[in-house]
Order: sequence, then structure tokens, then C-alpha cells
Amino acid sequence: DAGVIQSPRHEVTEMGQEVTLRCKPISGHNSLFWYRQTMMRGLELLIYFNNNVPIDDSGMPEDRFSAKMPNASFSTLKIQPSEPRDSAVYFCASSAGGLSNQPQHFGDGTRLSIL
Amino acid sequence: AQSVTQLGSHVSVSEGALVLLRCNYSSSVPPYLFWYVQYPNQGLQLLLKYTSAATLVKGINGFEAEFKKSETSFHLTKPSAHMSDAAEYFCAVSVIEGAQKLVFGQGTRLTINP
Repeated sequence: DAGVIQSPRHEVTEMGQEVTLRCKPISGHNSLFWYRQTMMRGLELLIYFNNNVPIDDSGMPEDRFSAKMPNASFSTLKIQPSEPRDSAVYFCASSAGGLSNQPQHFGDGTRLSIL
Repeated sequence: AQSVTQLGSHVSVSEGALVLLRCNYSSSVPPYLFWYVQYPNQGLQLLLKYTSAATLVKGINGFEAEFKKSETSFHLTKPSAHMSDAAEYFCAVSVIEGAQKLVFGQGTRLTINP
């Protein structure tokens, strides 16, 4: 079975540009999570969806960040305009069942560098 | 609110020695607890989980963890370290509010000395 698939694996772009990160969850999973990992702040939950509906976006840093899940097999995280402080590794994860005891399965992440 | 504290941001052990990574949690209700491992340039991988069944939980790669309610702890152990165990380890607690948010600890980087 394929795991969570993220693209691109690496992204380098200049400040002010729009960045779009993509995620394909595990088939059959109905919850999807976006995280950001930095040395300073560790692993932070940005937003999560249940059945394609955003449930909690309280971790989204500011209006420059937006996330969508148009269907059960695809989600995007967009940063517009990007800033150097957005440089981080962004992870997508998915889980099944909508229950608290279900583990999350992580993709390999997108390493984002904003120059 | 639930929280997780991992004691020691770096742990170093010799190959063949006992591995002990400490995790304490704070929760007002019985928690669900998880240990994840992250290898360089990879995402987090589930090692094991506690979901209120047996208090001693066995995971992959020879790791196990024991849930101790009286100590609010969920320490991760492995009897004999292997070089391939070098990675970062994260403890997480599930926020049980009808949702699935995980609260992660800051992580412990495990180094294995030959």
C-alpha cells in the first residue's frame, strides 16, 4: 500500500512568491493533517481536515497560509506571499476512522527554503 | 489541556546498551499515547501506541513502552541498542475532545556510539 505522498520534496523560491505544497493521503483515510517542523518550534499542527472539511485551523500562522481539501485524495497548503521565516519542513499526515486512538501516518515532507 | 514533556533533548548510548527515552504527559482524562521515530530526511513513523489495553506496549524494532498512570509516564525502552536506532524520537498524546489532534513533545535525539 502506498503511504502518504507529498510533493515536491524540496522547494526553493524567492521571498514574495506563491508556494503550493501537495499531499495525497492514504486511500481510505478520512482525516488529514498539515504540520510544520523547525528547529526552534519543533513540530506544529497547522490545520486538520475530517472528511474533507477543515476542523481546526488554529495553528495556521496568518492569512498568508491557506489549505484546501477538494476531495478525499488530495490536499494543498498554499503560502502567498512567502517569507524567509516560512522556511521549514512541512509534513502531511493522514489517519483512519476519525477516532483519537488512530495513529497518524506521515509523508516524507517538503523541505521549503524561502530566500 | 494535554501536554507532553520529553526529558532530555539528546541521549547517547553505546551499541548493545539499554535505551531509555523518557516521556511524561499531562492529561485530565485517560490519554492515548504514541511514540514516533524520525530518521533523517523522512517523516515520522509510528513505533507503538497505548490505547488503554495492556500497560506494557510492544512496538516495532524491539522497542516497548510502559504506561504508568501513577507517574504519568510513558517511557520508551529497548534492551540492546543498535546503530540503526540512531534517530529522533517523539512522544505524543491524543487530545480527546472528539477530535484527533496530537500534541507532540519536543523530541529526543538518540545517538548510538560504536
